[in-house]
Amino acid sequence: EDQVTQSPEALRLQEGESSSLNCSYTVSGLRGLFWYRQDPGKGPEFLFTLYSAGEEKEKERLKATLTKKESFLHITAPKPEDSATYLCAVRVITQGGSEKLVFGKGTKLTVNP
Amino acid sequence: DAGVTQSPTHLIKTRGQHVTLRCSPISGHKSVSWYQQVLGQGPQFIFQYYEKEERGRGNFPDRFSARQFPNYSSELNVNALLLGDSALYLCASSLTGQGEQYFGPGTRLTVT
Repeated sequence: EDQVTQSPEALRLQEGESSSLNCSYTVSGLRGLFWYRQDPGKGPEFLFTLYSAGEEKEKERLKATLTKKESFLHITAPKPEDSATYLCAVRVITQGGSEKLVFGKGTKLTVNP
Repeated sequence: DAGVTQSPTHLIKTRGQHVTLRCSPISGHKSVSWYQQVLGQGPQFIFQYYEKEERGRGNFPDRFSARQFPNYSSELNVNALLLGDSALYLCASSLTGQGEQYFGPGTRLTVT
């Protein structure tokens, strides 16, 4: 069964304190790994897509990396506005040939000033 | 350009009632997917539609149904509402049903 596990569940950082969020996955064939940011009560906001091991993507203070079994979202010198829940999802092809995203439960990041 | 739009924003229904949620995809996108997100969990896949045809269905009961219209907008219908249907319902659009999916703001459904 396709599964996505994110850790830690929650993370508190001081402003400027860099850290990493982890997403490990077990899927029959990875066809893309996605990172989203979600603010309370809102829809997920697309951040990155990664397709192959060794790939890296960067956006402002965020950098996403991918290995064969996990992905990391590195946050460098975070600011309070980076506080949100970060969701990881893998793209899976269903038996019927459609696509769906399988999500982890997310990591709730709080950055204190 | 407008992103994915959903209506209504919030909805309160009573057990046993029926609800219709609406979604308009990003202009030019032909695929819409629906997800249910309960508090503290990641979104769970309900349906995918592409060019008005159902392409995939998640592990949800037959009380859940959806359709896509010629203008690519979509409706999600839920019959015989249960308390456990209370959740944030998310619509995501993509160009062809493959690749990046862009989410709308969601509809918060509360069943009492």
